[in-house]
Amino acid sequence: NAGVTQTPKFQVLKTGQSMTLQCAQDMNHEYMSWYRQDPGMGLRLIHYSVGAGITDQGEVPNGYNVSRSTTEDFPLRLLSAAPSQTSVYFCASRGGLTAEQYFGPGTRLTVT
Amino acid sequence: DQQVKQNSPSLSVQEGRISILNCDYTNSMFDYFLWYKKYPAEGPTFLISISSIKDKNEDGRFTVFLNKSAKHLSLHIVPSQPGDSAVYFCAAIVQGAQKLVFGQGTRLTINP
Repeated sequence: NAGVTQTPKFQVLKTGQSMTLQCAQDMNHEYMSWYRQDPGMGLRLIHYSVGAGITDQGEVPNGYNVSRSTTEDFPLRLLSAAPSQTSVYFCASRGGLTAEQYFGPGTRLTVT
Repeated sequence: DQQVKQNSPSLSVQEGRISILNCDYTNSMFDYFLWYKKYPAEGPTFLISISSIKDKNEDGRFTVFLNKSAKHLSLHIVPSQPGDSAVYFCAAIVQGAQKLVFGQGTRLTINP
């Protein structure tokens, strides 16, 4: 099992550009989520999904869109990047009734 | 409103001694708590958890203590080893709910 994979590992965008951060898991987990990590702020939930076709907002959803067309994939879209979205982004998944989440290696995004 | 707080941004401990990381929470509905460990350039990995029906859970060198009346949990690492140097996040959830709430993290450094 590859677990949770994320691409790209690094990305630099100019203000106003759009991009999609990819996330995939091969553990057949129903629950997937996106977090951003900023210094002194911990991990903050952006969006999450409890299954294919179902998504919901987390703590900091503004400026991000998600969709879940398959169990395996949960892409995060930035429609118009802003410097405030400079951060490290982590995708995570969990299965069944457990609360333990498995995290991907992260994507470091810089918006100039 | 920070529902889970780790008030110590950093902690330095000598190798072989005990490391104690602390976490406070404000939401009395939380009934499951987790600790994650994060190395640089990697995603967080699950370390240990505790349900609110317990006040202690041990796994090898790691023990988590829960004081529900004080809304406080702590992670003890004994003995501390250089490989324990990492950022530690505590997290909390209402079981059956979807959102795992993280603290800000504590950077633990183990000195030889």
